[in-house]
Amino acid sequence: DAGVIQSPRHEVTEMGQEVTLRCKPISGHNSLFWYRQTMMRGLELLIYFNNNVPIDDSGMPEDRFSAKMPNASFSTLKIQPSEPRDSAVYFCASSLKTGDPGWPQHFGDGTRLSIL
Amino acid sequence: QQQVKQSPQSLIVQKGGIPIINCAYENTAFDYFPWYQQFPGKGPALLIAIRPDVSEKKEGRFTISFNKSAKQFSLHIMDSQPGDSATYFCAALQGGKLIFGQGTELSVKP
Repeated sequence: DAGVIQSPRHEVTEMGQEVTLRCKPISGHNSLFWYRQTMMRGLELLIYFNNNVPIDDSGMPEDRFSAKMPNASFSTLKIQPSEPRDSAVYFCASSLKTGDPGWPQHFGDGTRLSIL
Repeated sequence: QQQVKQSPQSLIVQKGGIPIINCAYENTAFDYFPWYQQFPGKGPALLIAIRPDVSEKKEGRFTISFNKSAKQFSLHIMDSQPGDSATYFCAALQGGKLIFGQGTELSVKP
């Protein structure tokens, strides 16, 4: 069974450009999470969805960040305009049920984003 | 605010040694404590997890010890191997949110 699929794996772009990261969760999973990983701040939850509905976006750093989940098999995280401090590895994860320890989160391999 | 504190930041052991990674938390509402393993260029992967009503859990060479009164838990890796070299994260779950520790970079020397 395919795991969580993220694209692109690497993205290098100039400051001010719009960046769109994509995620395909594991089929049948109802919850989707976006994380950011940096050396300074570690792994931070940005936003999560249940059944395609955003539940908690308190981790989204500012209005330049937005996330959507138009259907159960696709989500995007968009940064507009991008800034050098947004450089990080962005992970998407999915689970069968949010908050249920019996259903752990499965992570994709991430998108390494570099903003020049 | 760092809700889950992890130590040490890095750890070097010889093959066969028993590395121990420690985590502490403050929020008593956390109800599930997983450990994730991450290799370079990969996403974190669940290794082992424990609920707060259990004091110890073993899966293969990996053991979690949990001290609810002290609000601390630790990961022990028995008979460590070079293939265990990775970054390890403890985490705590409340509702739908996982709060991660800062990570421990483990290196197992042959």
